[in-house]
Amino acid sequence: SAVISQKPSRDICQRGTSLTIQCQVDSQVTMMFWYRQQPGQSLTLIATANQGSEATYESGFVIDKFPISRPNLTFSTLTVSNMSPEDSSIYLCSVVRGQGADEQYFGPGTRLTVT
Amino acid sequence: AQRVTQPEKLLSVFKGAPVELKCNYSYSGSPELFWYVQYSRQRLQLLLRHISRESIKGFTADLNKGETSFHLKKPFAQEEDSAMYYCALISGSARQLTFGSGTQLTVLP
Repeated sequence: SAVISQKPSRDICQRGTSLTIQCQVDSQVTMMFWYRQQPGQSLTLIATANQGSEATYESGFVIDKFPISRPNLTFSTLTVSNMSPEDSSIYLCSVVRGQGADEQYFGPGTRLTVT
Repeated sequence: AQRVTQPEKLLSVFKGAPVELKCNYSYSGSPELFWYVQYSRQRLQLLLRHISRESIKGFTADLNKGETSFHLKKPFAQEEDSAMYYCALISGSARQLTFGSGTQLTVLP
């Protein structure tokens, strides 16, 4: 398994501000992903965080709104920019260890409330 | 585009009764399907994958390509099985997961 931590665990932010969420893994991983889980909804993939290059975004998500960094194989950040109440969600990072592996390990999530 | 459907948002059964959580999918390629589970106050974790054809915590799931289904079953539910269950499908070159909407299972005493 992989030990994954996220900071902050929760936050309450004002609209128009930005929040950066950190995801730290205890060992090197091949893939890192960011998901959003809106209230009462399932998980939706935001993007794949690529080490040393721009993230790959899913349809409906753009870099200006959700800039992502992945400077090395154990760390990634997701920024939620210019927030509105519709951005209130749980944001989760997940990782895959090893080439050819299929199991994703999930972080504990960051609960964001935008007022 | 791929899609995973879980028709039941809530499911309640009595302890000792059989339980089946339904999952249907649509995918143009060869599907790889999973069940993830989230117990109360715990993080999301893998329960089982169709490739391994294993039984985990008494749960099994068989991929039925003809019916495009991957239902999760357990013959005798236990109270500790109460959790949110997500069916998921892997796709894409980065092997991203597409999740269903989830089924909240409650096993009553």
